[in-house]
Amino acid sequence: GENVEQHPSTLSVQEGDSAVIKCTYSDSASNYFPWYKQELGKRPQLIIDIRSNVGEKKDQRIAVTLNKTAKHFSLHITETQPEDSAVYFCAASKNDMRFGAGTRLTVKP
Amino acid sequence: DTAVSQTPKYLVTQMGNDKSIKCEQNLGHDTMYWYKQDSKKFLKIMFSYNNKELIINETVPNRFSPKSPDKAHLNLHINSLELGDSAVYFCASSHRDRGSGGANVLTFGAGSRLTVL
Repeated sequence: GENVEQHPSTLSVQEGDSAVIKCTYSDSASNYFPWYKQELGKRPQLIIDIRSNVGEKKDQRIAVTLNKTAKHFSLHITETQPEDSAVYFCAASKNDMRFGAGTRLTVKP
Repeated sequence: DTAVSQTPKYLVTQMGNDKSIKCEQNLGHDTMYWYKQDSKKFLKIMFSYNNKELIINETVPNRFSPKSPDKAHLNLHINSLELGDSAVYFCASSHRDRGSGGANVLTFGAGSRLTVL
């Protein structure tokens, strides 16, 4: 089955800096790669996703890149704000969704 | 309108008891899931049902039994609760797009925090 690894497990940045979270996956058949944000005590919520026929996608301050050959994808957050502080999960999916272990992002004001 | 609703939100119970968590979605999705999130925040898939049919059954103890009476409901029953069962259990749903080859956006419920004493 699919195995998703995510790094780093914790990330602390200053407000205004960029944050990058990286994930690798094992199943080359996976074709859908979402990113979820989970604030403390809340449910995971989709922030951006990318499908395997696309190499990059951007939505305001958030971007995701996908390298299918290397089987890795990354989340980039620019101009970070304190409200970006949360746990971020990557996932890879063909028929079912497997999540990475999560990255706890702290944005210091 | 809550898209994916699960009850109860909090459940505190003694070891050895049997308990159930219910989940309902009003999104018209055909696939529903149970995920377990432990204290380290790791989200682990437990079960997946597509059109009431079990399609994923990860290595979980057989004390956990899912039941899907219809496409909009997926309940989780847990027998003989153990301390290690303490976690937040998330229900989720999605529409499985066979045309594009599989899973789509997951919508999560608010979670049910189970504490076993």
